[in-house]
Amino acid sequence: AQSVAQPEDQVNVAEGNPLTVKCTYSVSGNPYLFWYVQYPNRGLQFLLKYITGDNLVKGSYGFEAEFNKSQTSFHLKKPSALVSDSALYFCAVRDIRGFQKLVFGTGTRLLVSP
Amino acid sequence: NAGVTQTPKFQVLKTGQSMTLQCAQDMNHEYMSWYRQDPGMGLRLIHYSVGAGITDQGEVPNGYNVSRSTTEDFPLRLLSAAPSQTSVYFCASSYSGAGGRATNEKLFFGSGTQLSVL
Repeated sequence: AQSVAQPEDQVNVAEGNPLTVKCTYSVSGNPYLFWYVQYPNRGLQFLLKYITGDNLVKGSYGFEAEFNKSQTSFHLKKPSALVSDSALYFCAVRDIRGFQKLVFGTGTRLLVSP
Repeated sequence: NAGVTQTPKFQVLKTGQSMTLQCAQDMNHEYMSWYRQDPGMGLRLIHYSVGAGITDQGEVPNGYNVSRSTTEDFPLRLLSAAPSQTSVYFCASSYSGAGGRATNEKLFFGSGTQLSVL
């Protein structure tokens, strides 16, 4: 079965420093990978997706993600963190049955301190 | 732009009561789905629909019913609420593309319904 793992419950980073939120995946076939962000009391918002092509995917709000097939990873990155980036981040993979059914990770809380 | 609208935002039920969580989208999306979010478990798919009149089960369908009579609406029914159904529920929709088989379109989420079952 398709799955993703987010090994860190929380990531702490100082404003202005680079940030990385980790995600590893396990899939049958080609992976379709996504990152979503959830701000307090809000629904999830799409950040970026990897389907095929360049291993570095650029998304919303200055975020990018690096796809690494040999390490089965899809880490979310940003060169310079903002306090407003503090939120809950979810990695997701498309279910093998297709369509837009996604299997989500458990989420990583990002806390950016001033 | 309303997007995906969920009502109510909060609900408290007693064990055994029934209720319907409403979800409506105004983007003419073919695909709609319901997820529940529980601490430490991420989001889990309950039911989904690829178009009016078509529904299917997700990962955790027991205790929930859905129907899709229109493209816009996708209500989730709790038949007999149980404390295990205490959760935050999210409705999401997406464009399905030509032929209804697009697989890489992003999901648009509603703001959620926080449900407590006592």
